[in-house]
Amino acid sequence: IAGITQAPTSQILAAGRRMTLRCTQDMRHNAMYWYRQDLGLGLRLIHYSNTAGTTGKGEVPDGYSVSRANTDDFPLTLASAVPSQTSVYFCASSDEQNTEAFFGQGTRLTVV
Amino acid sequence: AQSVTQLGSHVSVSEGALVLLRCNYSSSVPPYLFWYVQYPNQGLQLLLKYTSAATLVKGINGFEAEFKKSETSFHLTKPSAHMSDAAEYFCAVSDPFSGGYNKLIFGAGTRLAVHP
Repeated sequence: IAGITQAPTSQILAAGRRMTLRCTQDMRHNAMYWYRQDLGLGLRLIHYSNTAGTTGKGEVPDGYSVSRANTDDFPLTLASAVPSQTSVYFCASSDEQNTEAFFGQGTRLTVV
Repeated sequence: AQSVTQLGSHVSVSEGALVLLRCNYSSSVPPYLFWYVQYPNQGLQLLLKYTSAATLVKGINGFEAEFKKSETSFHLTKPSAHMSDAAEYFCAVSDPFSGGYNKLIFGAGTRLAVHP
């Protein structure tokens, strides 16, 4: 049972570089989410998608973009990375019943 | 706007002692409430959830939580701590009528340490 797969698991990135974090789910969930986790702040929603072809902004969307070309994939792109984007990024999905979100293992990103 | 406050960023208990992790929320509508656990270098795992059914919710690993509307609280408890309970715990709230599916709002987290 794969659930949600994120790649890479960790990355060190030079400031100013472009980076795409990958997220794939095999549960056929309509909704998907990207969160960032920072010490003392919990998890904050970056972007979400209710269904393929639609996306929405979360609490901290600036500097990030997403796309949802199909049900399974929900990549997160940093167009020009900055050190404040150093964080652990979690992808999640939920079904139409909306009562549980399933999380990936996370991507640890360090921007230097 | 919804928000979640977890009192105490760090809680330390002895093995066998009661675990109490506090969570208060604010929401303009009856919310859905969740507790997630995160073990080191792992993703989040659902412990339990409240979705407007029974106010006392039982979860995995012996944890339970009680929804108290009058106190806007959803505290997590376990009668007897085990060493394996050491982890970070997150309380979260969502608005079931937001139209945005499960846009969870998380608290800052509480790190639970269990010592012999």
